[in-house]
Amino acid sequence: DTEVTQTPKHLVMGMTNKKSLKCEQHMGHRAMYWYKQKAKKPPELMFVYSYEKLSINESVPSRFSPECPNSSLLNLHLHALQPEDSALYLCASSHPGRLNNEQFFGPGTRLTVL
Amino acid sequence: AQTVTQSQPEMSVQEAETVTLSCTYDTSESDYYLFWYKQPPSRQMILVIRQEAYKQQNATENRFSVNFQKAAKSFSLKISDSQLGDAAMYFCAYRGSQGNLIFGKGTKLSVKP
Repeated sequence: DTEVTQTPKHLVMGMTNKKSLKCEQHMGHRAMYWYKQKAKKPPELMFVYSYEKLSINESVPSRFSPECPNSSLLNLHLHALQPEDSALYLCASSHPGRLNNEQFFGPGTRLTVL
Repeated sequence: AQTVTQSQPEMSVQEAETVTLSCTYDTSESDYYLFWYKQPPSRQMILVIRQEAYKQQNATENRFSVNFQKAAKSFSLKISDSQLGDAAMYFCAYRGSQGNLIFGKGTKLSVKP
């Protein structure tokens, strides 16, 4: 199984809503990532978890709250988002440690904030 | 800080022809890795090919090969015998000591039948 799955595929939310994005992998990877990708732009790293501990937070606003409940799951909790947060949110996973390790990406959740 | 530059926002190639996508990067590190990722429309990003900086031999994966010029900090991707399924956004990426992937802005490749 070389797949990273993400749910939901699409999400529309108001600025006062609370929602969560989910990511799952069963490749035994102990590094998991959240990226934000705006249209026609490259992915921008948001968070990195290594061995279920948050290792990198790229100065992301607190309205985004990541969680890694176990080695297979990664969540991104959303609260009080702004319209400019509308984007494709990508999850990825890899073996940690070696720089040449491939990151496997999920299909993403397309988020629209009204 | 490391940077990755893709100077071709869009490219087009005829089916069965060869196309080269350009990528340059800037770094002061000696040990790093370079990647080309492909993102088809509405589909997930996948790794096309990777190159280790300390290896002089250019990486190849079937129809995909790279021209890695370390001194010039250049890492171009050549796609031979282009197929309709090659149409996608291609991102060049750098990974150094910090471990993060640093992406270029991407090149949108169209394949004409």
